[in-house]
Amino acid sequence: QSALTQPASVSGSPGQSITISCTGTSSDVGGYNLVSWYQQLPGKAPKLMIFEDTKRPSGVSNRFSGSKSGNTASLTISGLQAEDEADYYCCSHAGSRTLVFGGGTKVTVL
Amino acid sequence: QLHLQESGPGLVKPSETLSLTCTVSGGSITSSSYYWGWIRQPPGKGLEWIGSIFFTGTTYYNPSLKSRVTISADTSKNQISLNLSSVTAADTAVYYCARPSDSSGFYYDYWGQGTLATVSS
Repeated sequence: QSALTQPASVSGSPGQSITISCTGTSSDVGGYNLVSWYQQLPGKAPKLMIFEDTKRPSGVSNRFSGSKSGNTASLTISGLQAEDEADYYCCSHAGSRTLVFGGGTKVTVL
Repeated sequence: QLHLQESGPGLVKPSETLSLTCTVSGGSITSSSYYWGWIRQPPGKGLEWIGSIFFTGTTYYNPSLKSRVTISADTSKNQISLNLSSVTAADTAVYYCARPSDSSGFYYDYWGQGTLATVSS
């Protein structure tokens, strides 16, 4: 299994919306409704933001939303805030109860 | 509240076996149908899924690490363990243990703080 493909960086101004893509194959992203997204602040453990493609855990801001089309999943952050500046990782089931992560995307708030 | 704490030697020599422990408090590792996972992150790099263990003891591994990885559970100590053999500098990373809030096993809600393991002579 190969790592999922994410852009290295995405930036936006406060209040704007940004979208992070996560591209895989029909054996992972496209094959199951099991993509999750994590936010990681410097020196901290990852935090679950989205699971099962589009679901938000309790306590996660509704400014974060997930979607998927074919082999590409996306995380959209609307109303971008300074506190959203972090690294974001996608993750997908890749068959046989194995998981594969994306390479990560650094979000910068301008 | 569930709490996960990783521990282990901070320094391991090349070709040796890295052994880490995840101590769980606030819940039993066998109390329900959970998949306990290990994930690592080399310094300055991305996350890599290592593997997971179901509460029954069934294990699942990253194919790229499968030949070197063993994940096990010690129910008497409420701990999950990770052994990684024949380590090289490429195995230097922060190692996290994690668990989902339901029985799916496909994402992780609860994470430990991580422990840095450095491979160096």
